[in-house]
Amino acid sequence: SQTIHQWPATLVQPVGSPLSLECTVEGTSNPNLYWYRQAAGRGLQLLFYSVGIGQISSEVPQNLSASRPQDRQFILSSKKLLLSDSGFYLCAWSVSRGQFSPEKLFFGSGTQLSVL
Amino acid sequence: KQEVTQIPAALSVPEGENLVLNCSFTDSAIYNLQWFRQDPGKGLTSLLLIQSSQREQTSGRLNASLDKSSGRSTLYIAASQPGDSATYLCAFTETGANNLFFGTGTRLTVIP
Repeated sequence: SQTIHQWPATLVQPVGSPLSLECTVEGTSNPNLYWYRQAAGRGLQLLFYSVGIGQISSEVPQNLSASRPQDRQFILSSKKLLLSDSGFYLCAWSVSRGQFSPEKLFFGSGTQLSVL
Repeated sequence: KQEVTQIPAALSVPEGENLVLNCSFTDSAIYNLQWFRQDPGKGLTSLLLIQSSQREQTSGRLNASLDKSSGRSTLYIAASQPGDSATYLCAFTETGANNLFFGTGTRLTVIP
């Protein structure tokens, strides 16, 4: 069966510090991978998605970046965190059906990031 | 701009009651619509997925319907239980896109 691992579960970082959140998927090959952010009182916002190794699409301009060094590994990074980067970050995967129209999304357990 | 609205934002019901959660969207070119459950501080669990060609899906005590013409979806929960307490989110995918547009959710509390 497929599983998705996301860590750490919680993170407190000072403004201006770097960030690295990691997500790995097991039990499937060539998944579509996604990073979402959930700010307090707001809906989930898609930050990045990837349809293959080294292929990253950004949905919103920001000081965050994403990388996919391996087929089932997705990393969210920042060189310098801002207060506005605080939120709940969720990694997700879906079966790849070409580049468009994802089917069911399967989410990780999330990382609560507090930037102070 | 795509918008997904969920009403009510919060709902409390006594155990055993049947209830309906509402989701409305502005984009008629949807590919599919999903309902998710989120427990506090946790990730999302997909409950039901309705393709644009379908009108409803059922799983156990849950039934989701989709009316593209009116831009609405409902999640019906029968015989609610305290374990159903969570936030429920709907999200839709546009045809030809790779994004899900999420509502802000309905926080459900089932009182024993």
